[in-house]
Amino acid sequence: AQSVTQLGSHVSVSEGALVLLRCNYSSSVPPYLFWYVQYPNQGLQLLLKYTTGATLVKGINGFEAEFKKSETSFHLTKPSAHMSDAAEYFCAANSGGGADGLTFGKGTHLIIQP
Amino acid sequence: EAGVAQSPRYKIIEKRQSVAFWCNPISGHATLYWYQQILGQGPKLLIQFQNNGVVDDSQLPKDRFSAERLKGVDSTLKIQPAKLEDSAVYLCASSTDRWDTEAFFGQGTRLTVV
Repeated sequence: AQSVTQLGSHVSVSEGALVLLRCNYSSSVPPYLFWYVQYPNQGLQLLLKYTTGATLVKGINGFEAEFKKSETSFHLTKPSAHMSDAAEYFCAANSGGGADGLTFGKGTHLIIQP
Repeated sequence: EAGVAQSPRYKIIEKRQSVAFWCNPISGHATLYWYQQILGQGPKLLIQFQNNGVVDDSQLPKDRFSAERLKGVDSTLKIQPAKLEDSAVYLCASSTDRWDTEAFFGQGTRLTVV
């Protein structure tokens, strides 16, 4: 069974600073990987995804992530944090070639300090 | 395009009572998912439908949870009888088909069992 681990349940950065949210997966076969964002009392919104091809993936709102097979990682970054980025972020994996449901990490709460 | 609709948004019940949640996916989406999100955790897949057939219900507690999607469109998730540990947000998501890697999520139903 695959699993997704997000390091740090809370991450705090200053406005304008680099955002780095860590995600590692455990799977015998490289899965499809996703980052979702959840604002309070809202559903999940897809930020970006990696399926095949280029390992550096760009998403919405200036976020990007790099798939590193050797490190089984898919960390999320944004060069300059904005107050509106404060939210819960979830990393997720799908090992069924897209056919199965998602396995989610526990989430990281991103706090932006003014 | 209308998103995934869920109702009710909030529900409070006593333990041992029954409760039902409703989901209307995006029009034309063949695949529908129900996820359970306990406070402080990532969503966990309960059941996946393809049209009106069940693809995966391996994590659905079948002694108390049931779900149906009779006409391949709307879906209901039922809990009977509810336990305190069922307190969670229940998220519905849909995608065009099993092989579509982007699922769209509804806002969820927050269930509190007292």
